[in-house]
Amino acid sequence: AQTVTQSQPEMSVQEAETVTLSCTYDTSENNYYLFWYKQPPSRQMILVIRQEAYKQQNATENRFSVNFQKAAKSFSLKISDSQLGDTAMYFCAFMKHGSGANSKLTFGKGITLSVRP
Amino acid sequence: DAGVTQSPTHLIKTRGQQVTLRCSPKSGHDTVSWYQQALGQGPQFIFQYYEEEERQRGNFPDRFSGHQFPNYSSELNVNALLLGDSALYLCASSFSTGWFTGELFFGEGSRLTVL
Repeated sequence: AQTVTQSQPEMSVQEAETVTLSCTYDTSENNYYLFWYKQPPSRQMILVIRQEAYKQQNATENRFSVNFQKAAKSFSLKISDSQLGDTAMYFCAFMKHGSGANSKLTFGKGITLSVRP
Repeated sequence: DAGVTQSPTHLIKTRGQQVTLRCSPKSGHDTVSWYQQALGQGPQFIFQYYEEEERQRGNFPDRFSGHQFPNYSSELNVNALLLGDSALYLCASSFSTGWFTGELFFGEGSRLTVL
């Protein structure tokens, strides 16, 4: 079974600053995906960034980037130039590699990020 | 292109009652998953439907059941409601064919309160 751990319950960052959210996971799988999802007060889960385990290069999406350390089973999210709209709950999640018909996400408990003006 | 739609958005039930939640997947998607998210927690996988059959199931009792229709929409049924069933229920869809990138598309959820 897979587990995902997010040990920081809350974080706060000044607008325009950089913040890093931590995540560790445990699995015996060799091929998998890791994700960061954002859940604003509107409740809809929005994909922020995705990393495939076989890729050594860290994923980046505009202001969002990850630090993926496969051996350490660590997957942190860095948000640069934080914006007020980044205020939300952030979830780290794991999925075994496979088809869409066999796609199950295992989530961490989440972290509440507040961006201060 | 409509995304994942869920209904109802909010509902209140009393202990012992039964509830049905509905989900229409994103256009082109044929696989539907359901998640339960308790307040302040991460979502927990309930089950997944593909080709009108339950393919995977999480650690939930038999009171939780589901169905998938030929048009790929899905229902989640919960019988004999308990206070602990109060949560946000999220539906997510994906496609089974082609190159799957791992991305699931989520609806806005149905907030269930059990009194």
